[in-house]
Amino acid sequence: DIQMTQSPSSLSASVGDRVTITCQASQDIYNYLNWYQQKPGKAPNLLIYDASNLATGVPSRFSGSGSGTDFTFTISSLQPEDIATYYCQQYDNLLTFGGGTKVEIK
Amino acid sequence: EVQLVESGGVVIQPGGSLRLSCAASGFTFEDYAMHWVRQAPGKGLEWVSLISWNGGSTYYADSVKGRFTISRDNNKNSLYLQMHSLRAEDTAIYYCAKAQATRVTLDVWGKGTTVTVSS
Repeated sequence: DIQMTQSPSSLSASVGDRVTITCQASQDIYNYLNWYQQKPGKAPNLLIYDASNLATGVPSRFSGSGSGTDFTFTISSLQPEDIATYYCQQYDNLLTFGGGTKVEIK
Repeated sequence: EVQLVESGGVVIQPGGSLRLSCAASGFTFEDYAMHWVRQAPGKGLEWVSLISWNGGSTYYADSVKGRFTISRDNNKNSLYLQMHSLRAEDTAIYYCAKAQATRVTLDVWGKGTTVTVSS
């Protein structure tokens, strides 16, 4: 099974800050990685697919990069509505989610 | 509007059985693979199961293999999850999700239905 390790598990940042989350796969998953946002009490929402492609309607302040085993998710300028937990998900071998990163406003 | 609505979640005793349903609308259901994903209270997301567009292929997480069965009825635009031998650790919100054409990117999610396994 492929394990996905996200870090940090939580972070606190100010509005306008650049926020970066990393996701590491236990083996090479090429670019087979998605990122989701889950706001409190809501279902997850697809943000990034295939490691770096922005899903329809997602603001351009969100971005993703990486390949192989190391991936990065970035919010270029944190907004109050970005308060959520973010998950990476690999699909090289079925599906596995990372443990999540909870983003809060400082 | 593309929509997925789950139902069937209840409080049930350990060892019991339950069937969850997911009603799809706003897209051509038979064209897409579908998934179940669950989230235990206060925990992260856990993928549960995948079914291909025609039901010909199914896949399961090790944690539910042999106990859960995914199925679909394309005539009724509905997805199902039959759950047997339920355990306390199956307690979670269960989401159904539509896959993109790749089968493995989940682009539409329902609001979830809650299953509580407790005596």
